[in-house]
Amino acid sequence: AQTVTQSQPEMSVQEAETVTLSCTYDTSENNYYLFWYKQPPSRQMILVIRQEAYKQQNATENRFSVNFQKAAKSFSLKISDSQLGDTAMYFCAFMRGGSQGNLIFGKGTKLSVKP
Amino acid sequence: ETGVTQSPTHLIKTRGQQVTLRCSSQSGHNTVSWYQQALGQGPQFIFQYYREEENGRGNFPPRFSGLQFPNYSSELNVNALELDDSALYLCASSFFIGTAGNTIYFGEGSWLTVV
Repeated sequence: AQTVTQSQPEMSVQEAETVTLSCTYDTSENNYYLFWYKQPPSRQMILVIRQEAYKQQNATENRFSVNFQKAAKSFSLKISDSQLGDTAMYFCAFMRGGSQGNLIFGKGTKLSVKP
Repeated sequence: ETGVTQSPTHLIKTRGQQVTLRCSSQSGHNTVSWYQQALGQGPQFIFQYYREEENGRGNFPPRFSGLQFPNYSSELNVNALELDDSALYLCASSFFIGTAGNTIYFGEGSWLTVV
């Protein structure tokens, strides 16, 4: 069975600074996908970034980038130039290749961006 | 906007009652999945439907059931409600294209309180 672990229940960062959220996972699969989702107080789960396991290059989306270490089964999210609107719960999620909708989530990290 | 809408947004039910939650997926999405998110936890996969048939289920009892309709709408039904069923229920939809990973889009959720 796959598991996803987020070891930081809460993090805070000053506006305009950089913060890194950690995620580790456990799987015996070779084909899988990893995601970071953001859940603001409105509760809607918003996709931040996605990484295919077969790609060595780390995914980036504007201010968001990941450090994907496949051998170490680590998938951290770096947020650069943090903004107040980044304040939210962040969830790391795993999906087995070929799975249509079964995401396995970590428990989340609550990020607070301070002015 | 993800194009996934859910109703109702909030509801209160009594233990032992039955509830139906509804979801409208993005047009063209052939897969819908449902998640339960208890307070302070990450979402837990309940089940998924592909082309109107259930083809994956998490660790939830049979009193959790669903339907997917040809018009991209779906339902989650929960019978014999228990206090522990109090949670945010998230609907997610995607277009499954074989072994390629699909991006999953979430609705804003339905808050269920069981008293």
